[in-house]
Amino acid sequence: GQQVMQIPQYQHVQEGEDFTTYCNSSTTLSNIQWYKQRPGGHPVFLIQLVKSGEVKKQKRLTFQFGEAKKNSSLHITATQTTDVGTYFCAGPWNYGQNFVFGPGTRLSVLP
Amino acid sequence: DTEVTQTPKHLVMGMTNKKSLKCEQHMGHRAMYWYKQKAKKPPELMFVYSYEKLSINESVPSRFSPECPNSSLLNLHLHALQPEDSALYLCASSLTGDYGYTFGSGTRLTVV
Repeated sequence: GQQVMQIPQYQHVQEGEDFTTYCNSSTTLSNIQWYKQRPGGHPVFLIQLVKSGEVKKQKRLTFQFGEAKKNSSLHITATQTTDVGTYFCAGPWNYGQNFVFGPGTRLSVLP
Repeated sequence: DTEVTQTPKHLVMGMTNKKSLKCEQHMGHRAMYWYKQKAKKPPELMFVYSYEKLSINESVPSRFSPECPNSSLLNLHLHALQPEDSALYLCASSLTGDYGYTFGSGTRLTVV
């Protein structure tokens, strides 16, 4: 069946360092979404990518969708303590257009 | 209004109790979802309502019973739960299934 991996599982960075998380699917996706969940909080929608090779930026965050639409990445430039949380990719892996979450990457930022 | 409101925020219930979780949104979203999240795990999809009709039930035990009284409300009725059902229950909505989801802050459920 369809599988999704996110790497790394955990990442500890010093404040000001860059951070990247990768989402890899065993099958081609029609689109992919990214969410952030702060400790003790709920997932918050960040972005949706639809087109092959698409790149979108939100301030210090850069999102990419692979050319083959089987992988995606989220890059954060110059991390801040407010970036702490778990970053999930979500895709229509099992249910058509309804989204299922990847396992997540937990980011810690040391001041 | 750009929020999904869930009540209660916390719930402790015994294994013989019946309780309900409530979710409300006034954004005109036509898809609503229940997710279950265990600590340090991703949210797991339980139910999907599309235009007030149940479209997906991901093999959830019958002790969980969803209800969508109208396009703004979503309930999750709980009966005879087990301690392993303790988790954060998240409600979400989206314009349709193709758009980003707006999540509520969740109900933290403890079954004793």
